[in-house]
Amino acid sequence: EAQVTQNPRYLITVTGKKLTVTCSQNMNHEYMSWYRQDPGLGLRQIYYSMNVEVTDKGDVPEGYKVSRKEKRNFPLILESPSPNQTSLYFCASSLTSGSLTDTQYFGPGTRLTVL
Amino acid sequence: GENVEQHPSTLSVQEGDSAVIKCTYSDSASNYFPWYKQELGKRPQLIIDIRSNVGEKKDQRIAVTLNKTAKHFSLHITETQPEDSAVYFCAASKGDNFNKFYFGSGTKLNVKP
Repeated sequence: EAQVTQNPRYLITVTGKKLTVTCSQNMNHEYMSWYRQDPGLGLRQIYYSMNVEVTDKGDVPEGYKVSRKEKRNFPLILESPSPNQTSLYFCASSLTSGSLTDTQYFGPGTRLTVL
Repeated sequence: GENVEQHPSTLSVQEGDSAVIKCTYSDSASNYFPWYKQELGKRPQLIIDIRSNVGEKKDQRIAVTLNKTAKHFSLHITETQPEDSAVYFCAASKGDNFNKFYFGSGTKLNVKP
């Protein structure tokens, strides 16, 4: 089954404790992206990746890191989480971000609470 | 960067009526405009999209219109059904490679049976 998976789905942590949210897709997609969703603000793009070893900042990259060592995985790293990073996080992927844009498939979401 | 504004924030309609959600964007270079539906507790799913070389696109009960001059695009849902109840997001993207996406703040649609 074609899918995007995220882990963990729920996480409660404390300020400053490094964490990683994993994202994996089994569709051989080139493009992957991370978003955060906050009430009243819609989805905001954090980082995206065009392909392996190619990443770039989205609209709200501060406080986050990403890596793309393999095509299927795109982890989101919070080196020193702060309470303002409490949010619902979505990973998404699409076959290509090229002119024939394909549907972005979203993962199930990770609800993160930073105390 | 791009700024996408979406209205209304909430919309309540009677089953069978039409619903219209509007979005404006600021960057005239934006050229790809998808719409997503997000049911409660679920992930966003693409329902329709339009590119800047097209003025209108239709898919069964859903249509999207684009006015490049005015920099706004709209989602039209006809013959609404209770299962259309969800939050709808518009988005804008630009460039030869649609890498960056800017989303509106969402519209909560409630279809009353």
